Amino acid sequence: SQTIHQWPATLVQPVGSPLSLECTVEGTSNPNLYWYRQAAGRGLQLLFYSVGIGQISSEVPQNLSASRPQDRQFILSSKKLLLSDSGFYLCAWSKSGQRNTEAFFGQGTRLTVV
Amino acid sequence: ILNVEQSPQSLHVQEGDSTNFTCSFPSSNFYALHWYRWETAKSPEALFVMTLNGDEKKKGRISATLNTKEGYSYLYIKGSQPEDSATYLCAFVEYGNKLVFGAGTILRVKS
Repeated sequence: SQTIHQWPATLVQPVGSPLSLECTVEGTSNPNLYWYRQAAGRGLQLLFYSVGIGQISSEVPQNLSASRPQDRQFILSSKKLLLSDSGFYLCAWSKSGQRNTEAFFGQGTRLTVV
Repeated sequence: ILNVEQSPQSLHVQEGDSTNFTCSFPSSNFYALHWYRWETAKSPEALFVMTLNGDEKKKGRISATLNTKEGYSYLYIKGSQPEDSATYLCAFVEYGNKLVFGAGTILRVKS
């Protein structure tokens, strides 16, 4: 069966520090991968998605970047965090090439920038 | 910018009431429409994946309809129960697998 791991669960970081959130998927190959952020009082905002290794689509200009160094690994990074980067970050995956497929989510990371 | 809108933002109903939510999405580049339930302290879980105009899906007391030509989907809950309290999200899937969510509808069911 397929599983998705996302860590850490919570993170408190000072302004200006770097960030690395990791997401890995097991039990499938060539998944579509997604990073979302839920800012306070808002829905899920799509930050990045990837349909293959090295293929990253960025949805909003921001202080964050994403990389997919391996087929089932998706990393969200920042060189210098801003206060506005605080929020709840969710990684998700779906099966590629299948229309009738849902997305499966990790447990999320609560990031607080202080 | 791809716009997916949900209404209402929040809803408070009594146990036993039936309710419905709306999701509006672009009528071009349609690939699929998803509905998810997101409970506090959990991850979103899929309720329905809909791909064809006119699709109707049902799972217990919850059902959904899809109109791709006019760009909307309805989610219905019959006889709401306190355990139905959650945020209900719809997501529009564009060709190329871009998955964009609406802001969600928060449902609170009072017993």
